[in-house]
Amino acid sequence: EADIYQTPRYLVIGTGKKITLECSQTMGHDKMYWYQQDPGMELHLIHYSYGVNSTEKGDLSSESTVSRIRTEHFPLTLESARPSHTSQYLCASSDGRGRPYNSPLHFGNGTRLTVT
Amino acid sequence: DQQVKQNSPSLSVQEGRISILNCDYTNSMFDYFLWYKKYPAEGPTFLISISSIKDKNEDGRFTVFLNKSAKHLSLHIVPSQPGDSAVYFCAALLMNRDDKIIFGKGTRLHILP
Repeated sequence: EADIYQTPRYLVIGTGKKITLECSQTMGHDKMYWYQQDPGMELHLIHYSYGVNSTEKGDLSSESTVSRIRTEHFPLTLESARPSHTSQYLCASSDGRGRPYNSPLHFGNGTRLTVT
Repeated sequence: DQQVKQNSPSLSVQEGRISILNCDYTNSMFDYFLWYKKYPAEGPTFLISISSIKDKNEDGRFTVFLNKSAKHLSLHIVPSQPGDSAVYFCAALLMNRDDKIIFGKGTRLHILP
C-alpha cells in the first residue's frame, strides 16, 4: 500500500498570494513527480526529482518551483498565484531501482487549487 | 500534440458484461503502455502494463491487448463490477534517461446495475 500524502486537499486563495503544496512519502522512494490535471484532460508532468537536491522541469511549462531537500518531501511553490493556476495538482513517487512498468507511480490524493 | 489519445470520454456498461476501453498512440518508439484507474477525489492507481514486444497481458479480470501495427491498445474488463466505475487513463512510457510517462485524457467508465 502506497503511503504518499498531499496537503491541503482543497485550497481557495486570492490572486498574488504565495502558496506551497506539500507532498510527503514514507516509502523511501527516490523518484518523485508533480503532475497537473484539468478536468477531462491529460495529466501533465510539471516537475520531477530523482533524488535529494535533484529537480527537473517537466513537459508542461509551469511557473511553480520545487525543492527536494529530504528524500521524503517534495513541496511545490507558487510565488504569486493567478487564476490560470487553478487546477488539480497530483504528487507521485516511484521506487527508483525499478522501471516505471514494474515500479509504477504511486499517487497522492491531489490538491485542488482554486485561485480567485 | 497528443501522443496518447483516448477518444471516448465516457462509456457505460452493464454489470457482468465486458468493458472495453480503447487507446491510440502516435509514437511507435514507446516501450511500455500502462493503465491507471482513478476514483473521484483520489489519485490514480496503477492497474496493468504491457511491453511493446507483447500483444497481450492478463491479470485477473483485466486484459490489455496491443496492436502495434495499428498503434492501438485496449483494456478489457470481464466481468464488469460496480467497483470498476472510475476514470481509466492510458499511458505510454519511453525508456530513456528520464523514463517519463505520457498520459491520455482518460475515459470515464460507468457500470450500470
